Amino acid sequence: SAVISQKPSRDICQRGTSLTIQCQVDSQVTMMFWYRQQPGQSLTLIATANQGSEATYESGFVIDKFPISRPNLTFSTLTVSNMSPEDSSIYLCSAPGASGGTDTQYFGPGTRLTVL
Amino acid sequence: ILNVEQSPQSLHVQEGDSTNFTCSFPSSNFYALHWYRWETAKSPEALFVMTLNGDEKKKGRISATLNTKEGYSYLYIKGSQPEDSATYLCAFDRDDKIIFGKGTRLHILP
Repeated sequence: SAVISQKPSRDICQRGTSLTIQCQVDSQVTMMFWYRQQPGQSLTLIATANQGSEATYESGFVIDKFPISRPNLTFSTLTVSNMSPEDSSIYLCSAPGASGGTDTQYFGPGTRLTVL
Repeated sequence: ILNVEQSPQSLHVQEGDSTNFTCSFPSSNFYALHWYRWETAKSPEALFVMTLNGDEKKKGRISATLNTKEGYSYLYIKGSQPEDSATYLCAFDRDDKIIFGKGTRLHILP
């Protein structure tokens, strides 16, 4: 199993500012994923963070709004740029289990973001 | 459009009672079905990964069944305890994509 930590655990931010969320995995993983859960909604995949290449974004999410870094196999950051109240969500990072495929995903504890 | 529906959205259960809830998902392109338990301020924790039609899995007081032909899975909790209070998420895995439901929020009443 993988242990994943995230910083910050929560934040309250002003409209128009940006927040960078950090995700650390205790083992090397090829892929890391960033999700968000808006109030009352499903966990939705934002992007896949690949080491050594640009992140792959899901439909409806763009790099300018959610730039991602993946400097090594254990760390990634997600920035929420030019925030608006609609960005208030829980943001989670995850990594697949060792065998990939149908193996389970391991999640961080999430970052609860409130935008005023 | 791929829809994963969970019902009920919220559930209050008396401590000691048993309960169950449902996840429905597309019956085509099935690869796996995942169940997670997510307690507030903690990481979602994997409960089960189910791949075969008719699968039944058990972990302590929690069990799950899978019907891939009709596209549903049930999660059962026997003899609910306060520590079972959490949101239970299911996720439909079609190999190239994982789609989560909105979850069932379970409250155990003392």
